[in-house]
Amino acid sequence: GQQVQQSPASLVLQEGENAELQCNFSSTATQLQWFYQSPGGSLVSLLSNPSGTKHTGRLTSTTVTKERRSSLHISSSQTTDSGTYLCAITSGGNYKPTFGKGTSLVVHP
Amino acid sequence: DPKIIQKPKYLVAVTGSEKILICEQYLGHNAMYWYRQSAKKPLEFMFSYSYQKLMDNQTASSRFQPQSSKKNHLDLQITALKPDDSATYFCASSLTGNNNQAPLFGEGTRLSVL
Repeated sequence: GQQVQQSPASLVLQEGENAELQCNFSSTATQLQWFYQSPGGSLVSLLSNPSGTKHTGRLTSTTVTKERRSSLHISSSQTTDSGTYLCAITSGGNYKPTFGKGTSLVVHP
Repeated sequence: DPKIIQKPKYLVAVTGSEKILICEQYLGHNAMYWYRQSAKKPLEFMFSYSYQKLMDNQTASSRFQPQSSKKNHLDLQITALKPDDSATYFCASSLTGNNNQAPLFGEGTRLSVL
């Protein structure tokens, strides 16, 4: 089955620094999504990006499909960005994602 | 106001008992899902329902049974509870069940089995 590897496992930044998160997956993906999980546990979808580059606010995701990798760049990090970032891969038409273990981000003031 | 309501927020159960986790959404979505997140494993997809019909089941154990009494409800019945079932169970929904739409998640039910 699909395997999803995220790196780094954890990242500590000072406010204002940029973050680069990586997601590598083992099989062809028809959909790739980045989620944010708050310290309290709730999940929010950030970006859907199965290929190419997408921007939203301070977030940029670049997915290179044939290399089975995606990155999430967070510019000018803020303390409120602290939390866990999850990459989810779906293969096929139905929504049945496989999640990575996540990158835990801590941004200090 | 939360649009996906999960009840209860916290749940403690004894080994061997049965519990029902409640999920209802007020988004007009047609697809609903259950996920599980434990300390040992990443977030795992469990079930998907579309128009109250089971679409996918990734849960090996029959002790986990989703129940959809209404289009906007998808409860999760867990029987013969084991300590390994301890996890946070997230309900989610999306307009349709295809992979173009990321789901919206509820706040989760944190289950502890003693």
